[in-house]
Amino acid sequence: GENVEQHPSTLSVQEGDSAVIKCTYSDSASNYFPWYKQELGKRPQLIIDIRSNVGEKKDQRIAVTLNKTAKHFSLHITETQPEDSAVYFCAAAFDYKLSFGAGTTVTVRA
Amino acid sequence: EAGVAQSPRYKIIEKRQSVAFWCNPISGHATLYWYQQILGQGPKLLIQFQNNGVVDDSQLPKDRFSAERLKGVDSTLKIQPAKLEDSAVYLCASRGQGRETQYFGPGTRLLVL
Repeated sequence: GENVEQHPSTLSVQEGDSAVIKCTYSDSASNYFPWYKQELGKRPQLIIDIRSNVGEKKDQRIAVTLNKTAKHFSLHITETQPEDSAVYFCAAAFDYKLSFGAGTTVTVRA
Repeated sequence: EAGVAQSPRYKIIEKRQSVAFWCNPISGHATLYWYQQILGQGPKLLIQFQNNGVVDDSQLPKDRFSAERLKGVDSTLKIQPAKLEDSAVYLCASRGQGRETQYFGPGTRLLVL
């Protein structure tokens, strides 16, 4: 089955700086790559996703890049704000089945 | 539109007891998923339903876990008997036909003592 590895496990950034989270996946058939944000005690919420026929996607301060050849994808958050503090999960999907990474705890220092 | 609903939100039981969780997906969503999220880990798929049929239950510990979606809408997940290692958050998610995005419910936090 699919194996998704996510790094780093924790990330502390100064407010206003950028944050980058990286994921690798094992199954070359995976074709959909969402990122979820989960605040403490709350449900995971989709923040951005990318499909395998696209190399990069941006939505305001958030961007995702995908390298299918290397089987890795990354989340970039620019101009971080305190409300960006949360756990972020990457996932890879084939046939609508998601396999999640272990998560990255992001802390934005004021 | 209303989101995915789950109940109860919290449950504490003794090991070897039974417990059931309920999920109501977003209206019209044919696909429903149950995930187990152990503290500090990402969600792990337990079972996937398409309408009232099981699509994938390969990671469901069938000796103690069972799930059903009899009328193709609500679903229940049951654990019988519970073990200490079943302590986790159980998340339900649903997806619309032909869409890739999965929407998650708030989860049920289970503590087995």
